[in-house]
Amino acid sequence: EAGVAQSPRYKIIEKRQSVAFWCNPISGHATLYWYQQILGQGPKLLIQFQNNGVVDDSQLPKDRFSAERLKGVDSTLKIQPAKLEDSAVYLCASSPGLDEQFFGPGTRLTVL
Amino acid sequence: GENVEQHPSTLSVQEGDSAVIKCTYSDSASNYFPWYKQELGKRPQLIIDIRSNVGEKKDQRIAVTLNKTAKHFSLHITETQPEDSAVYFCAEGDSSYKLIFGSGTRLLVRP
Repeated sequence: EAGVAQSPRYKIIEKRQSVAFWCNPISGHATLYWYQQILGQGPKLLIQFQNNGVVDDSQLPKDRFSAERLKGVDSTLKIQPAKLEDSAVYLCASSPGLDEQFFGPGTRLTVL
Repeated sequence: GENVEQHPSTLSVQEGDSAVIKCTYSDSASNYFPWYKQELGKRPQLIIDIRSNVGEKKDQRIAVTLNKTAKHFSLHITETQPEDSAVYFCAEGDSSYKLIFGSGTRLLVRP
């Protein structure tokens, strides 16, 4: 079974630029999550999708972050404009609707 | 609000010794408690989990215990090996399938 795929793996941008991350969950998984993991910290949930609907986006900084999951499969997370404090690893995870979440390899974002 | 406290932040043990990592949570509605292992530069991977209707679960050298009254749960690794060196995260979840993670414990197993 293929795992959660993410791209790109690394991205370096300057502050105030925009960036987008892509996630392809495990086939058949209805729930998809985006996490932000700052160096030395645990993953922090940004947004949770159930199929193509948003379940929880309470921790998403909506003035600069947006996410969508069209057709209930792939998802994109966008930051516009980026700030220095957005430097982190962005992890995508998916779940078949049960408790266990399967993580992708992450995208390491550096904002200069 | 929801919060998970994890201790210690770093732990160094001699190969063959045991390691214990503890977490406390605040949300009474939490009913799922997974532990993830994250090696440097890699994705978090689930190593063991426990649900609120169980007090203890064991899988070979790792075990997790849960005390719902005190709202804390612990990870126990016995006969540690150098390949156990990694960062370990606890988390709590509820019926919404959302996870709140602890801040992590960096475990170093000295050969």
